[in-house]
Amino acid sequence: QQQVKQSPQSLIVQKGGISIINCAYENTAFDYFPWYQQFPGKGPALLIAIRPDVSEKKEGRFTISFNKSAKQFSLHIMDSQPGDSATYFCAASAGGAGGYNKLIFGAGTRLAVHP
Amino acid sequence: GAVVSQHPSRVICKSGTSVKIECRSLDFQATTMFWYRQFPKQSLMLMATSNEGSKATYEQGVEKDKFLINHASLTLSTLTVTSAHPEDSSFYICSAWARTSDDYEQYFGPGTRLTVT
Repeated sequence: QQQVKQSPQSLIVQKGGISIINCAYENTAFDYFPWYQQFPGKGPALLIAIRPDVSEKKEGRFTISFNKSAKQFSLHIMDSQPGDSATYFCAASAGGAGGYNKLIFGAGTRLAVHP
Repeated sequence: GAVVSQHPSRVICKSGTSVKIECRSLDFQATTMFWYRQFPKQSLMLMATSNEGSKATYEQGVEKDKFLINHASLTLSTLTVTSAHPEDSSFYICSAWARTSDDYEQYFGPGTRLTVT
């Protein structure tokens, strides 16, 4: 019940296309859902995060869509660029953000954007 | 955003020796820090939660005596890998929650690549 299931494992998108990565969870106590981007040999960097009281959040080319009833959330990368090629992780935590709350990570999606 | 640093970025040690990795919050205070381990092409695995002024909380299956964690101040946590063996070779990453204008966000350090020969 603590798992966050992420798909696909890998994704190839043409430059200018839309990249879509999906995550699903079971624990209804989860109430904070961030997405991280990680380049090889680097630590993860926060891209965007959402709370369950919002169905969508957009920051630049990145959008999170959240479906509370389906217990799913997804990351959309618009106008994908070769520089977006990285591994993306979804995560979730219960009890909000901050304090001792642990993030539970998905397995990751390796995105390759071809020119 | 908030900045978390780690030192060293890379370390090579011989089997049987101990290695210390530092994690610092540079522009904020962190009463709690988290230590992760990441193997190639895998996700982040939480090892332990480091609490300032008290004992760390370890995840199931993580050896407390092998991975010593000390959180001596509000800006510094250290992870010591004792009696390191080749199977301990991995990418170690720390993180901490930092307050933003309207929420908290968890920021990660750049990671430390440990290679045990």
